[in-house]
Amino acid sequence: SQTIHQWPATLVQPVGSPLSLECTVEGTSNPNLYWYRQAAGRGLQLLFYSVGIGQISSEVPQNLSASRPQDRQFILSSKKLLLSDSGFYLCAWSRAGAEAFFGQGTRLTVV
Amino acid sequence: GQNIDQPTEMTATEGAIVQINCTYQTSGFNGLFWYQQHAGEAPTFLSYNVLDGLEEKGRFSSFLSRSKGYSYLLLKELQMKDSASYLCAVPTLDSGYALNFGKGTSLLVTP
Repeated sequence: SQTIHQWPATLVQPVGSPLSLECTVEGTSNPNLYWYRQAAGRGLQLLFYSVGIGQISSEVPQNLSASRPQDRQFILSSKKLLLSDSGFYLCAWSRAGAEAFFGQGTRLTVV
Repeated sequence: GQNIDQPTEMTATEGAIVQINCTYQTSGFNGLFWYQQHAGEAPTFLSYNVLDGLEEKGRFSSFLSRSKGYSYLLLKELQMKDSASYLCAVPTLDSGYALNFGKGTSLLVTP
């Protein structure tokens, strides 16, 4: 069976510090991978998606970046965090057109 | 582009039936998904409709009308644990089939 791991679960970071969130998928190959952000009381916003190794597409301009160094690894990064980067970050995987499965999420608070 | 609308909040009584509506506009239809999200947790998959009609899965059913751009999620025999946010989503073909989510309907089940 397929599983998705995302860590850490919670993170408190000062403004201007770097960020690295990691997500790995097990039990499948060549998944579509996604990073979403959910601000308090708001809907899920797609940040990045990837359909293959080294291929990243960004949906919104921001100071975040993503990378896919291996088939089942997806990383969300920032060089300098802003207060507005606070939120609930979710990694997900899917087969094209099928349901998406989410990691446990990372609650990021930038202080 | 895509536009997805759901009611923001609903309240229902334990043991009752509740219907959560979703309307969508999309340039290419590839199915519609419903997810459940408890506070502070990741969304979990509930149902998928690609053809018109009703899909039943235990206490939960989902209906789709492609011609009307309309879906609903029907929850029967409500339980307190059904208090959660319910998200309607459609995949976006030109974003690696990433799910585009509505803002979600927050359902409160009362005794």
